[in-house]
Amino acid sequence: RKEVEQDPGPFNVPEGATVAFNCTYSNSASQSFFWYRQDCRKEPKLLMSVYSSGNEDGRFTAQLNRASQYISLLIRDSKLSDSATYLCVVKRPNQGGKLIFGQGTELSVKP
Amino acid sequence: DVKVTQSSRYLVKRTGEKVFLECVQDMDHENMFWYRQDPGLGLRLIYFSYDVKMKEKGDIPEGYSVSREKKERFSLILESASTNQTSMYLCASSLNAFAGRAHPYEQYFGPGTRLTVT
Repeated sequence: RKEVEQDPGPFNVPEGATVAFNCTYSNSASQSFFWYRQDCRKEPKLLMSVYSSGNEDGRFTAQLNRASQYISLLIRDSKLSDSATYLCVVKRPNQGGKLIFGQGTELSVKP
Repeated sequence: DVKVTQSSRYLVKRTGEKVFLECVQDMDHENMFWYRQDPGLGLRLIYFSYDVKMKEKGDIPEGYSVSREKKERFSLILESASTNQTSMYLCASSLNAFAGRAHPYEQYFGPGTRLTVT
Protein backbone atom coordinates (compact mmCIF):
# COMPACT_ATOMS: atom_id res chain seq x y z
CA ARG A 1 0.00 0.00 0.00
CA LYS A 2 1.33 3.46 -0.89
CA GLU A 3 2.07 5.76 2.04
CA VAL A 4 -0.05 8.53 0.50
CA GLU A 5 -2.73 7.78 -2.07
CA GLN A 6 -4.72 10.12 -4.25
CA ASP A 7 -7.13 9.71 -7.13
CA PRO A 8 -5.00 10.93 -10.08
CA GLY A 9 -8.02 12.27 -11.97
CA PRO A 10 -8.20 14.18 -14.19
CA PHE A 11 -11.14 16.07 -12.77
CA ASN A 12 -12.74 18.17 -15.49
CA VAL A 13 -15.15 20.75 -14.08
CA PRO A 14 -16.85 23.90 -15.38
CA GLU A 15 -16.01 27.32 -13.98
CA GLY A 16 -17.92 28.01 -10.81
CA ALA A 17 -18.19 24.36 -9.80
CA THR A 18 -17.27 22.97 -6.41
CA VAL A 19 -14.77 20.13 -6.50
CA ALA A 20 -13.35 17.95 -3.74
CA PHE A 21 -10.23 15.83 -3.62
CA ASN A 22 -9.51 13.11 -1.10
CA CYS A 23 -6.27 11.58 -0.01
CA THR A 24 -5.50 8.68 2.33
CA TYR A 25 -2.33 8.05 4.31
CA SER A 26 -1.12 4.80 5.80
CA ASN A 27 0.91 5.81 8.87
CA SER A 28 -1.40 6.58 11.78
CA ALA A 29 1.49 8.30 13.60
CA SER A 30 1.61 11.08 10.99
CA GLN A 31 1.08 14.53 12.51
CA SER A 32 1.46 17.16 9.82
CA PHE A 33 -0.40 17.41 6.54
CA PHE A 34 -0.35 19.76 3.58
CA TRP A 35 -1.70 20.44 0.14
CA TYR A 36 0.73 21.61 -2.51
CA ARG A 37 -0.16 22.90 -5.95
CA GLN A 38 1.87 22.20 -9.07
CA ASP A 39 1.16 24.05 -12.28
CA CYS A 40 2.04 22.42 -15.59
CA ARG A 41 5.84 22.29 -16.04
CA LYS A 42 6.39 24.21 -12.81
CA GLU A 43 7.62 23.31 -9.36
CA PRO A 44 5.28 22.40 -6.48
CA LYS A 45 4.32 25.19 -4.07
CA LEU A 46 2.62 25.04 -0.71
CA LEU A 47 -1.10 25.76 -1.02
CA MET A 48 -2.10 25.26 2.60
CA SER A 49 -1.36 23.30 5.72
CA VAL A 50 -4.12 21.05 7.07
CA TYR A 51 -5.07 21.44 10.71
CA SER A 52 -6.98 19.02 12.90
CA SER A 53 -9.94 21.35 13.24
CA GLY A 54 -10.10 22.00 9.51
CA ASN A 55 -9.10 25.27 7.96
CA GLU A 56 -10.18 27.61 5.22
CA ASP A 57 -8.31 29.99 2.98
CA GLY A 58 -10.66 31.89 0.72
CA ARG A 59 -12.30 29.40 -1.63
CA PHE A 60 -10.18 26.52 -0.34
CA THR A 61 -11.10 24.33 2.63
CA ALA A 62 -8.93 21.55 4.00
CA GLN A 63 -10.18 18.85 6.35
CA LEU A 64 -8.42 16.11 8.28
CA ASN A 65 -10.05 12.90 9.51
CA ARG A 66 -7.54 11.13 11.73
CA ALA A 67 -9.78 8.18 12.52
CA SER A 68 -10.13 7.30 8.86
CA GLN A 69 -6.68 8.61 7.94
CA TYR A 70 -7.80 10.83 5.13
CA ILE A 71 -7.37 14.44 4.12
CA SER A 72 -9.61 16.42 1.82
CA LEU A 73 -9.41 19.63 -0.17
CA LEU A 74 -12.55 21.45 -1.27
CA ILE A 75 -12.42 24.18 -3.89
CA ARG A 76 -15.51 26.36 -4.23
CA ASP A 77 -16.39 28.56 -7.20
CA SER A 78 -13.64 27.09 -9.38
CA LYS A 79 -11.65 29.49 -11.55
CA LEU A 80 -9.78 28.75 -14.76
CA SER A 81 -6.60 29.59 -12.85
CA ASP A 82 -7.25 26.72 -10.42
CA SER A 83 -6.28 24.27 -13.17
CA ALA A 84 -3.24 22.46 -11.80
CA THR A 85 -2.18 19.26 -10.08
CA TYR A 86 -2.88 19.14 -6.35
CA LEU A 87 -0.45 17.13 -4.25
CA CYS A 88 -1.40 15.64 -0.90
CA VAL A 89 1.63 15.73 1.40
CA VAL A 90 2.28 14.09 4.76
CA LYS A 91 5.24 14.67 7.03
CA ARG A 92 7.09 11.50 7.95
CA PRO A 93 6.85 10.87 11.70
CA ASN A 94 10.12 11.31 13.58
CA GLN A 95 12.13 11.91 10.43
CA GLY A 96 13.01 15.58 10.61
CA GLY A 97 11.75 17.60 7.68
CA LYS A 98 11.04 14.72 5.31
CA LEU A 99 7.72 14.82 3.47
CA ILE A 100 5.87 12.13 1.53
CA PHE A 101 4.14 13.35 -1.62
CA GLY A 102 1.09 11.76 -3.16
CA GLN A 103 1.16 11.35 -6.92
CA GLY A 104 -1.21 14.28 -7.35
CA THR A 105 -4.73 14.90 -8.59
CA GLU A 106 -5.07 16.78 -11.85
CA LEU A 107 -7.77 19.44 -12.05
CA SER A 108 -8.89 21.07 -15.27
CA VAL A 109 -11.40 23.92 -15.02
CA LYS A 110 -13.17 24.68 -18.29
CA PRO A 111 -14.99 27.88 -19.32
CA ASP B 1 11.99 36.53 -1.78
CA VAL B 2 12.71 32.85 -1.32
CA LYS B 3 14.80 31.36 -4.08
CA VAL B 4 16.02 27.91 -5.05
CA THR B 5 17.89 27.66 -8.31
CA GLN B 6 19.03 24.67 -10.31
CA SER B 7 21.93 24.70 -12.73
CA SER B 8 20.05 23.58 -15.84
CA ARG B 9 16.44 23.38 -16.97
CA TYR B 10 17.14 20.75 -19.62
CA LEU B 11 20.02 18.31 -19.90
CA VAL B 12 20.76 15.53 -22.37
CA LYS B 13 23.44 13.01 -21.49
CA ARG B 14 24.65 9.70 -22.84
CA THR B 15 24.51 6.37 -21.04
CA GLY B 16 27.55 5.93 -18.82
CA GLU B 17 28.33 9.64 -18.45
CA LYS B 18 28.86 11.18 -15.03
CA VAL B 19 26.21 13.84 -14.44
CA PHE B 20 26.20 16.68 -11.91
CA LEU B 21 23.02 18.51 -10.97
CA GLU B 22 23.53 21.61 -8.85
CA CYS B 23 21.09 23.30 -6.52
CA VAL B 24 21.56 26.57 -4.66
CA GLN B 25 19.27 28.21 -2.10
CA ASP B 26 19.58 31.70 -0.70
CA MET B 27 17.38 31.31 2.37
CA ASP B 28 19.96 29.93 4.82
CA HIS B 29 17.92 26.71 5.10
CA GLU B 30 19.44 23.75 6.93
CA ASN B 31 17.57 21.04 5.04
CA MET B 32 17.98 20.30 1.37
CA PHE B 33 16.41 17.55 -0.70
CA TRP B 34 16.67 15.92 -4.09
CA TYR B 35 13.58 14.33 -5.64
CA ARG B 36 12.75 12.83 -8.97
CA GLN B 37 9.26 13.13 -10.45
CA ASP B 38 7.87 10.62 -12.89
CA PRO B 39 4.34 10.32 -14.32
CA GLY B 40 2.16 8.13 -12.13
CA LEU B 41 4.80 7.88 -9.41
CA GLY B 42 4.83 11.41 -8.02
CA LEU B 43 7.83 12.87 -6.22
CA ARG B 44 10.22 10.36 -4.76
CA LEU B 45 12.99 11.32 -2.37
CA ILE B 46 16.50 10.43 -3.53
CA TYR B 47 18.66 12.04 -0.84
CA PHE B 48 18.29 14.48 2.01
CA SER B 49 20.81 16.67 3.84
CA TYR B 50 20.14 18.34 7.17
CA ASP B 51 23.48 20.11 7.50
CA VAL B 52 26.76 20.71 5.73
CA LYS B 53 28.50 17.41 4.95
CA MET B 54 25.53 15.47 6.40
CA LYS B 55 23.36 13.32 4.17
CA GLU B 56 20.76 10.60 4.42
CA LYS B 57 19.46 8.21 1.82
CA GLY B 58 15.92 8.70 0.71
CA ASP B 59 13.61 6.11 -0.83
CA ILE B 60 15.48 5.59 -4.11
CA PRO B 61 19.21 6.36 -3.60
CA GLU B 62 20.56 3.62 -5.87
CA GLY B 63 22.66 5.02 -8.71
CA TYR B 64 22.94 8.45 -7.08
CA SER B 65 25.25 10.22 -4.66
CA VAL B 66 25.20 13.73 -3.20
CA SER B 67 27.55 16.37 -1.93
CA ARG B 68 26.97 19.25 0.45
CA GLU B 69 30.16 21.18 1.07
CA LYS B 70 28.44 24.52 1.71
CA LYS B 71 25.13 25.23 3.38
CA GLU B 72 23.59 26.85 0.32
CA ARG B 73 24.59 24.22 -2.23
CA PHE B 74 23.47 20.61 -2.66
CA SER B 75 24.69 18.58 -5.60
CA LEU B 76 23.24 15.39 -7.03
CA ILE B 77 25.65 13.09 -8.86
CA LEU B 78 24.78 10.31 -11.24
CA GLU B 79 27.99 8.29 -11.31
CA SER B 80 27.13 6.44 -14.53
CA ALA B 81 23.91 7.66 -16.09
CA SER B 82 21.42 5.08 -17.31
CA THR B 83 18.28 5.44 -19.41
CA ASN B 84 16.06 4.65 -16.40
CA GLN B 85 17.37 7.83 -14.79
CA THR B 86 15.62 9.93 -17.42
CA SER B 87 13.32 12.05 -15.30
CA MET B 88 12.48 15.47 -13.87
CA TYR B 89 14.79 16.24 -10.94
CA LEU B 90 13.61 18.69 -8.30
CA CYS B 91 15.64 20.22 -5.53
CA ALA B 92 14.00 21.65 -2.40
CA SER B 93 15.03 23.29 0.85
CA SER B 94 13.41 23.89 4.22
CA LEU B 95 14.21 25.21 7.66
CA ASN B 96 15.07 22.86 10.50
CA ALA B 97 13.40 24.61 13.40
CA PHE B 98 9.77 25.58 13.17
CA ALA B 99 8.84 27.26 16.44
CA GLY B 100 6.53 30.14 15.75
CA ARG B 101 6.51 29.59 12.02
CA ALA B 102 3.25 29.71 10.11
CA HIS B 103 4.05 26.75 7.88
CA PRO B 104 6.54 24.41 9.55
CA TYR B 105 8.25 21.95 7.26
CA GLU B 106 7.35 23.97 4.15
CA GLN B 107 9.67 22.98 1.33
CA TYR B 108 10.64 25.46 -1.36
CA PHE B 109 11.38 23.95 -4.73
CA GLY B 110 13.65 24.89 -7.57
CA PRO B 111 12.30 24.96 -11.14
CA GLY B 112 13.52 21.43 -11.90
CA THR B 113 15.98 19.88 -14.34
CA ARG B 114 14.57 17.64 -17.05
CA LEU B 115 17.28 15.08 -17.66
CA THR B 116 17.23 12.81 -20.68
CA VAL B 117 19.73 9.94 -20.85
CA THR B 118 20.11 8.44 -24.30
